[in-house]
Amino acid sequence: EIVLTQSPGTLSLSPGERATLSCRASQSVSSNYLAWYQHKPGQAPRLLIYGASSRATGIPDRFSGSGSGTDFTLTISRLEPEDFAVYHCQQYGSSPKTFGQGTKVEIK
Amino acid sequence: EVQLLESGGGLVQPGGSLRLSCAASGFTFSSYAMSWVRQAPGKGLECVSDINNSGGRTYYADSVKGRFTISRDNSKNTLYLQMNSLRAEDTAVYYCARYQNCGGDCPFDYWGQGTLVIVSS
Repeated sequence: EIVLTQSPGTLSLSPGERATLSCRASQSVSSNYLAWYQHKPGQAPRLLIYGASSRATGIPDRFSGSGSGTDFTLTISRLEPEDFAVYHCQQYGSSPKTFGQGTKVEIK
Repeated sequence: EVQLLESGGGLVQPGGSLRLSCAASGFTFSSYAMSWVRQAPGKGLECVSDINNSGGRTYYADSVKGRFTISRDNSKNTLYLQMNSLRAEDTAVYYCARYQNCGGDCPFDYWGQGTLVIVSS
């Protein structure tokens, strides 16, 4: 099973700042099948990025994904008020599909 | 608009049973593989069970194998999760999620808002 470790656990930033979230895999992620989801309390999680760097439909271009192999990054170029949430990474190239424990982006 | 609406959660005693439902709308349900994903308090997300579009192929996490059964009724646009022999560690919010139609290994492109299951005496 591939273990995904997200860091930091919590990121305290102000609107307009840049957010950089990390997701490290215990072994190489097959075909870079790495996704990022945004999750707000009481809401459905939302797919942001798939294939490590492809934005999902309707996702603003301030969200970008990068990385390959075992190291992946989600970058939010300029935080908007609606971006404060928990972000999960997921690898879907190997069974079982696994998630990281999440990074909370909170308002500083 | 794609919508996934879970129901059936609640409080159940250890050893008890519960059936979750997920009503889908806004897309051709029979064309998509579906999944149940859960999040226990203070923990990360966990893929519990998958089913392909026709219902002929299923997957279960080791933690629920032999106790949970996933099924679907494409005529009713509804996904189910029958949960038996429930344990305290099954306490979680359970989400219904749709697999993206990408022709291979795919992420989840739509999720429901979840239903809470609490296993406690």
